[in-house]
Amino acid sequence: EAAVTQSPRNKVAVTGGKVTLSCNQTNNHNNMYWYRQDTGHGLRLIHYSYGAGSTEKGDIPDGYKASRPSQENFSLILELATPSQTSVYFCASGDAGEDTQYFGPGTRLLVL
Amino acid sequence: QQKVQQSPESLSVPEGGMASLNCTSSDRNFQYFWWYRQHSGEGPKALMSIFSDGDKKEGRFTAHLNKASLHVSLHIRDSQPSDSALYFCAAGNTGNYKYVFGAGTRLKVIA
Repeated sequence: EAAVTQSPRNKVAVTGGKVTLSCNQTNNHNNMYWYRQDTGHGLRLIHYSYGAGSTEKGDIPDGYKASRPSQENFSLILELATPSQTSVYFCASGDAGEDTQYFGPGTRLLVL
Repeated sequence: QQKVQQSPESLSVPEGGMASLNCTSSDRNFQYFWWYRQHSGEGPKALMSIFSDGDKKEGRFTAHLNKASLHVSLHIRDSQPSDSALYFCAAGNTGNYKYVFGAGTRLKVIA
């Protein structure tokens, strides 16, 4: 099965601070995704990427940036973290859009 | 309003029983649907996809799609305590690189 890892697994940040969440996949998938999960909203897409060097806005991109420096790595950056960004963040990878997405274990972020 | 709506929000069934989960889309452009399952503390994992009208069966799991009504359902036969999880429906368009998730249905199988 496809392997997707995330770091850190837990993060406490201060309001206004910068937060970087990292994701690595070892299955050579073209597409990678960042979601946040909140009760009552399910999984919402923040940013995604078609391949190294590309990033695209998802459905809720405000307050977030993304970086895809290589096929394997995809980062989510919160330049100025706010308490409303407290959530669980999931990274996923996959090939074609209609194919299976493989999710990492998640990062629990608390912004105080 | 979310483009993909799931019902019920939560569901309890006895061990060995049938669990039925529903998903309705408000976007007629969606051409395929996925079901994902998430156990507590883990990331979601794909269960099955369905692209065509009718039923698709994989083991104890059967998905049913009605494109005319934009409705897809998941039926779990002989439910087991290990089936207790959060179930997500996702929908997307062929050729697009992303899909939209519903809010989820929490299933509890009571032993």
